[in-house]
Formats: sequence, structure tokens, C-alpha cells
Amino acid sequence: KQEVTQIPAALSVPEGENLVLNCSFTDSAIYNLQWFRQDPGKGLTSLLLIQSSQREQTSGRLNASLDKSSGRSTLYIAASQPGDSATYLCAVRQVWDRDDKIIFGKGTRLHILP
Amino acid sequence: DTGVSQDPRHKITKRGQNVTFRCDPISEHNRLYWYRQTLGQGPEFLTYFQNEAQLEKSRLLSDRFSAERPKGSFSTLEIQRTEQGDSAMYLCASSLDRGEYEQYFGPGTRLTVT
Repeated sequence: KQEVTQIPAALSVPEGENLVLNCSFTDSAIYNLQWFRQDPGKGLTSLLLIQSSQREQTSGRLNASLDKSSGRSTLYIAASQPGDSATYLCAVRQVWDRDDKIIFGKGTRLHILP
Repeated sequence: DTGVSQDPRHKITKRGQNVTFRCDPISEHNRLYWYRQTLGQGPEFLTYFQNEAQLEKSRLLSDRFSAERPKGSFSTLEIQRTEQGDSAMYLCASSLDRGEYEQYFGPGTRLTVT
């Protein structure tokens, strides 16, 4: 059974710092890995999607890496801003026969201190 | 295309009442998924459809829950005899029918059972 773990569960950093969020998964048979952002009480905003054959994806100040063989991914946020405060969710997609689902971690709650 | 839409965005109901949520996927997407997210947790898979066929159901989907996707377009999720434990955000997503394609999420329906 696939399990996705995110460390740390919460993180507070001063504005302007670079930071790394970690995600690990137990089954390397994934199609892709995705990072989402979720503001309190809101839906999911997709940040980056990495296909299983890829090693990383970049969008603006965000960079996500994937090491499928070791079951790890990181989300790097450069020059953090107060507007980056949110919960960040890591999720892997598994497709096998009739099964097709995304399995999420519990998220990292990020607070950027002004 | 305006993306995945969900209606209503918020629903407050009394315990024991029935509720129904609607999801409209991106028009060319033939797969549609339902997830549930409780406070402080990541979303959890409930069920998904390939066109009008319901292909997989999580054991989280008790007998009080039923989902349909008539004609392979929009989908409804009904909860009968709601309980306080059903209070959650219900998220819908859609995608094309291959694992490397992204699942696009709607804004969610927040259910509060009093």
C-alpha cells in the first residue's frame, strides 16, 4: 500500500530565506508526482507535476525534484515571501489495471515571517 | 475551458439529512474522480469514473454514499443520512485516461453537518 509522508509537518521561516520541503513515498511504481498548494479553507492549486521519467521541474521560484528509485521528492522555494504561506501537499499518482488514484501526504504548513 | 467546477461551494446540513453535490469536469476529460479531505489531513480517494462506468470505489465510501456519472459528463455525489463525521471538503478532479496526464481539481464543496 502506497504511503506518502511529508516532513516537516510545519515550518516557520523569515521572509527572504530559501527553504526545502520533503516528501517520501513507499512504492516507486508511480506515474507522476505533483506538488500542490492549499490556502486555508480553499481548494488545491497545482504547482508542479513531475513525470516518473523526469528528475525535476521548475516554475519561477519553485523547483521540484524527483528520485523515484529512493522514493523521495523535494520542493525548493527560493527567496520566500509572506504570500507563500500555505499548506503544501505532495501527491503521487498510481495507475494499475482498473486502479487510478492520487495518494496525498498530510502536507507541510508553511508560515513565512514578515 | 473554465476548468473543473463544483456546486455548491458550501453546504450546511443537519444530521440525518441527505445532500447531493455536483461536479462538472473539463469537457474532453473522460475520467472523473472524487476525493474527501478532513481537517488537517491530505485528500483521500473515494471513487472514479471512466466515462459513465464507476471503476473503483474506496472502502471509505460507505453504503450511505453513492456517486453517478450519467452519460459520462457531470457527476453527482450523494450522501444519505449525513453524520457529523461526514463534515469535510469534497474535491472533484478530472483527467484524460492515461496515467501521465494531470488530474485537474475543482474548488471543492465544503460540507458542514450540524
